[in-house]
Amino acid sequence: KAGVTQTPRYLIKTRGQQVTLSCSPISGHRSVSWYQQTPGQGLQFLFEYFSETQRNKGNFPGRFSGRQFSNSRSEMNVSTLELGDSALYLCASSLGQYTGELFFGEGSRLTVL
Amino acid sequence: AQSVTQPDIHITVSEGASLELRCNYSYGATPYLFWYVQSPGQGLQLLLKYFSGDTLVQGIKGFEAEFKRSQSSFNLRKPSVHWSDAAEYFCAVGGNSGYALNFGKGTSLLVTP
Repeated sequence: KAGVTQTPRYLIKTRGQQVTLSCSPISGHRSVSWYQQTPGQGLQFLFEYFSETQRNKGNFPGRFSGRQFSNSRSEMNVSTLELGDSALYLCASSLGQYTGELFFGEGSRLTVL
Repeated sequence: AQSVTQPDIHITVSEGASLELRCNYSYGATPYLFWYVQSPGQGLQLLLKYFSGDTLVQGIKGFEAEFKRSQSSFNLRKPSVHWSDAAEYFCAVGGNSGYALNFGKGTSLLVTP
């Protein structure tokens, strides 16, 4: 069974640009969550999608957005990039019932110059 | 508001020695508690979780954790550490609002020969 796949794995952008990250969950999983990981702030919850609907949202500015498609694949977008957006963005999938067992991808490493 | 504190940023243990990683949480209701492990360049993997019932929970890779409500703690233990256990360990707390886990800042484990 394939795991959670995130693309791209690494990317470099400049301030002001926008970026889109993709996440393919484990087959059969209907929930996708996104987390931002930085050395200073640690792991912070961005948002969670279930059946194409945003079910939870963290405390991030509106520049951070996401969506989920009918096949459960998810994308997150960050517009008007700032230096502080440099981070590892982790996607996690789960079946959807609240069991707490999140299956994480290896992440997308974003560097903003 | 829910929060998690991992008091130890770094811990060094000798291979074969016992290990205890500390985790304290703050949550108004009965918490859902988790321990995840992250190896370099990898995503997070669930070690164990506590929802209710027996306060001593067993996880993968020989890890266990004990929920102590009176101390608001959920410490992770392993009787004999292996070199392959060197990684970053994260404690997390969640409620019943979905998958918005609140992670601690992590404890980096170094295992010496």
